Amino acid sequence: GQNIDQPTEMTATEGAIVQINCTYQTSGFNGLFWYQQHAGEAPTFLSYNVLDGLEEKGRFSSFLSRSKGYSYLLLKELQMKDSASYLCAAFYNQGGKLIFGQGTELSVKP
Amino acid sequence: GAGVSQSPRYKVTKRGQDVTLRCDPISSHATLYWYQQALGQGPEFLTYFNYEAQPDKSGLPSDRFSAERPEGSISTLTIQRTEQRDSAMYRCASSLTGDTDTQYFGPGTRLTVL
Repeated sequence: GQNIDQPTEMTATEGAIVQINCTYQTSGFNGLFWYQQHAGEAPTFLSYNVLDGLEEKGRFSSFLSRSKGYSYLLLKELQMKDSASYLCAAFYNQGGKLIFGQGTELSVKP
Repeated sequence: GAGVSQSPRYKVTKRGQDVTLRCDPISSHATLYWYQQALGQGPEFLTYFNYEAQPDKSGLPSDRFSAERPEGSISTLTIQRTEQRDSAMYRCASSLTGDTDTQYFGPGTRLTVL
């Protein structure tokens, strides 16, 4: 299989920084996506990593280590609206089939 | 269109009935995906199309599930003889050319089988 593992839930404080980790199986791996999903809504694209290293986009950054089968999403200056589920999804081989993790439910408290 | 649209948004049906769900992808997008999403879980791949070709249907749970995209644009997902375990959110996504292109998701169809 191609298990994607991420924590089920996390809690953080408004204004703080939070890191959401994701591990995946490396065989056939071709890239990693992070999506944000607010309750009752569709997942929306946050970031895509294919090479090792950090990709920064405003308050959100995503890191990838292909050799370790590891990624993280870093959210800075947390806002209440960041409360959502964060989905890690790995792309394997060809064709576009994404394998999603179960999602990490992030609660941002005042 | 501006985004991926799906219809109906909600469908309630009785066990044993057939249902057909529709997806209208972003107009320039060649590739279309169907996912099933249970509450509190990530989307699970069902099948995908590259234009009208269906290269991978490995995620379809049983032969009661089928999908088509006859003209390479709108797609339908049909579930025959629905069962209660089919109750879920069914999401469609599209991407420009497939592979590692970003997938854009539609609002989903919430299916409830009584």
